This record gives sequence, structure tokens and C-alpha cells, in this order.
Amino acid sequence: DAKTTQPPSMDCAEGRAANLPCNHSTISGNEYVYWYRQIHSQGPQYIIHGLKNNETNEMASLIITEDRKSSTLILPHATLRDTAVYYCIVRAPLSGNTGKLIFGQGTTLQVKP
Amino acid sequence: DTEVTQTPKHLVMGMTNKKSLKCEQHMGHRAMYWYKQKAKKPPELMFVYSYEKLSINESVPSRFSPECPNSSLLNLHLHALQPEDSALYLCASSQVTGGYGYTFGSGTRLTVV
Repeated sequence: DAKTTQPPSMDCAEGRAANLPCNHSTISGNEYVYWYRQIHSQGPQYIIHGLKNNETNEMASLIITEDRKSSTLILPHATLRDTAVYYCIVRAPLSGNTGKLIFGQGTTLQVKP
Repeated sequence: DTEVTQTPKHLVMGMTNKKSLKCEQHMGHRAMYWYKQKAKKPPELMFVYSYEKLSINESVPSRFSPECPNSSLLNLHLHALQPEDSALYLCASSQVTGGYGYTFGSGTRLTVV
């Protein structure tokens, strides 16, 4: 699975959009981009994933560049409860016995009042 | 039911004790996972089960023994642990095929004394 690079930390003002970047320059054609977050002492929470097209759900939007070498997770109106570690992970679709989700160091997002 | 339930939430055990961690899901997921997370570090994959069979063991010491008695239940048996095994143990589940996300439990906080 391709490796990802994320900034170690970011700040965002409450109510503003939080834009979290991720570089995955070695991504393969069949690998998805996944985003998870982990609030202190809780289990990671799935946010969103995508392959080529931009995706949006009730939590966030995922913007993937045309060459798929980078992506941005957007939290449109950040709240204090969005303070967490955000993980960007790329992996191939699960296929039988080869399921692995490997976490990198992630970005610690601090939302400030 | 869209949750992964882990019990107990906290566990303190001596180095000569035998204990078990339990994980349960009723989402029909046929892949289940154990992760270990040390403080301020990302989760590390330990084991993967697919269709109740162990498919991946990430070179985990034998004092950790996983078991998947049925499609809804995953156990982690612990024996002769060391203080450095103290960590948050996370269970997750997913579909076996396709580009789906994982659902994580809230973890068991283990302290070895």
C-alpha cells in the first residue's frame, strides 16, 4: 500500500473550514484514499473515502487531485468537537484474505474558539 | 446495529495472569482485526481474521493469542504479558471485499503490572 505524508499538526478557528492535506504520490490506480479520525482515547472513526472523484458526506468533503497524488479533507464548519488526530490512508480494495489498514502518523487538528 | 463492542473497557493484570479481551459486532462483517496503540502513536495492526480464519499475523509474540469462535465474536487471549504490553487494544471489523471502511470499537485500556 502507498505511503502518505501529512503535516504533524494544524490549527483551525471554530466555525471556519478545516482543510487537511495529504500527499500520496505513489498511489496505485486501484488504491482508495481513506480518512479516519481519532478523538482522544477513543477508537478511530471512519470519515470518508474515495477513488478518483470528489466525495461528500454529512461529515466532510474529500477532494482528490486529478493525478491522484494528493488529496484534501475538508471539514466545512469546524467545531471544538472536531479536535482530533486525522489519518489519511491509501489502500487497495479488500480482497479476500488480504485486508490491511495501516496508519501513518496523522495530523493533529486543534480547533480553537 | 452499527457498532463494535469491546469489553472490558479497562483491565489491569499481573505478569503471571491470564485474561481475555472480547470484541463483538452484528453488522455481518466477515473480517475482524486487532490493533495495538501505545500513547501518542498510531494504531498498529496485530491480527486479521477473514471468514473466521486467521489470515494475517503481524509477527505478534505468542503471549497474545487471538481466537474467532464465530462470525460475530473475536477474542484476544493474554498470558504472561510484560509491562511494555500496556496499551489501548482496538478491535475493528469490515466487509471482506470492496472499498469499504472499517468500524472500530472504543478499545480496551490494558495495564500490565
